[in-house]
Amino acid sequence: DAKTTQPTSMDCAEGRAANLPCNHSTISGNEYVYWYRQIHSQGPQYIIHGLKNNETNEMASLIITEDRKSSTLILPHATLRDTAVYYCIVRVGEMAAGNKLTFGGGTRVLVKP
Amino acid sequence: NAGVTQTPKFRVLKTGQSMTLLCAQDMNHEYMYWYRQDPGMGLRLIHYSVGEGTTAKGEVPDGYNVSRLKKQNFLLGLESAAPSQTSVYFCASSYFTGTQYFGPGTRLTVL
Repeated sequence: DAKTTQPTSMDCAEGRAANLPCNHSTISGNEYVYWYRQIHSQGPQYIIHGLKNNETNEMASLIITEDRKSSTLILPHATLRDTAVYYCIVRVGEMAAGNKLTFGGGTRVLVKP
Repeated sequence: NAGVTQTPKFRVLKTGQSMTLLCAQDMNHEYMYWYRQDPGMGLRLIHYSVGEGTTAKGEVPDGYNVSRLKKQNFLLGLESAAPSQTSVYFCASSYFTGTQYFGPGTRLTVL
C-alpha cells in the first residue's frame, strides 16, 4: 500500500470548513483513498473513501487531484465534536488480500469555539 | 444491530498470565481484524481473518494467537502476557470492502 503524508496537527474554528490535506504521491491505479477518524479513547470511525472522482456523504467531502497524488478531506461545518485524529489511508481495492488498513500518524484536529 | 462489540472493556493482568479477548459482530461480515494501539501511535494490525476457520498474521503477531470458529466471532489470545503488550486493542470487521467498522476497544494493562 502507498505511503501517506499528513500534517501532524491543525486547528479549525467552529462553524468553519476544515480542509485536511493528504499526500500520496506513490499511489497506484488500483488503490483507494480512505479517511477515518478517531475521537479520543474511541474506536476509529469510517468517514469516506474514493478512487478517482470526488465523493460526498453526510459527514464530509473528498477531493482527489487529477493525478491522484494528493487529496483533501473537507468537513463543511466543523463542530467541537469533530475534534479527533484524522487518518488518510491508501490501500488496494476490494477483494485484496486481507483488506488490511495501515494507519499512520494522522492529523490531530482541534476545533475551537 | 450492535455492530462490533468487544469483551472485556478493561483488564489488568500480571506478567505471565493468559487471557482471551472476544470480538463479536452482527453484520454478517466476512473479514475480521485485531489491531493494537499504543499511546500516541497509530493502529498496528496483529492478526486478521478472511473467513470462518481462517486466520493470518499481520504486522505484529508475536505473542498473540487468534481463532475464528464462528463467522461472527474473532478471539485474540495472549498465552503469557508481557508488559510490552500493554495497549488498547481494537477489533474491526468488513464485508469484502475497505470500509472496516471498529469496536470500542479493550484497554489492557500488564503489570
